[in-house]
Amino acid sequence: QQKVQQSPESLIVPEGAMTSLNCTFSDSASQYFAWYRQHSGKAPKALMSIFSNGEKEEGRFTIHLNKASLHFSLHIRDSQPSDSALYLCAVTGMGYKLTFGTGTSLLVDP
Amino acid sequence: GGIITQTPKFLIGQEGQKLTLKCQQNFNHDTMYWYRQDSGKGLRLIYYSITENDLQKGDLSEGYDASREKKSSFSLTVTSAQKNEMAVFLCASSQTGNPNERLFFGHGTKLSVL
Repeated sequence: QQKVQQSPESLIVPEGAMTSLNCTFSDSASQYFAWYRQHSGKAPKALMSIFSNGEKEEGRFTIHLNKASLHFSLHIRDSQPSDSALYLCAVTGMGYKLTFGTGTSLLVDP
Repeated sequence: GGIITQTPKFLIGQEGQKLTLKCQQNFNHDTMYWYRQDSGKGLRLIYYSITENDLQKGDLSEGYDASREKKSSFSLTVTSAQKNEMAVFLCASSQTGNPNERLFFGHGTKLSVL
């Protein structure tokens, strides 16, 4: 069964800093990798996704994927207080099923 | 755009009670999901439904029943609430059920069992 782990569990960064969130997965045949963001008391919302190795940038957000090392990450440039939220990674692996990680709680300190 | 509405927002139950959570979506999506969110455990899939009257078990289906009454609605029943149980139940939908497509979530139902 696919195992998806996130690190760190929680993170505090100053406003304007670069934030890096990590996600590891266990199934080397995984094919789809996504990040969701959940503000406190709100619905999770899809942020970005990637299918192949490399990097994808959308505004202040960048995903890096390295399938060989079973790792992908989300980087937030110029972090803002509005970025404070729970970040969930999600991976589709064998069995064609989406599995979520345990989440990283981010606080951006103004 | 569309919206997913979950009712109730908060649910307080007694140990052993049968409790029903409801979800409606107006995206006209084929597939709907129920996830459970516990602190420190991410989202775990309870049930999903690819189309009206279809039901598929997820990783956490024991202790739950589900019903897809029509395309727009999907309900979840906790068959016997466990004492001191506390979790958020999230309903989601996706257009076709392809696991590589984005999910749209509701705000959740927060369950507390006394």
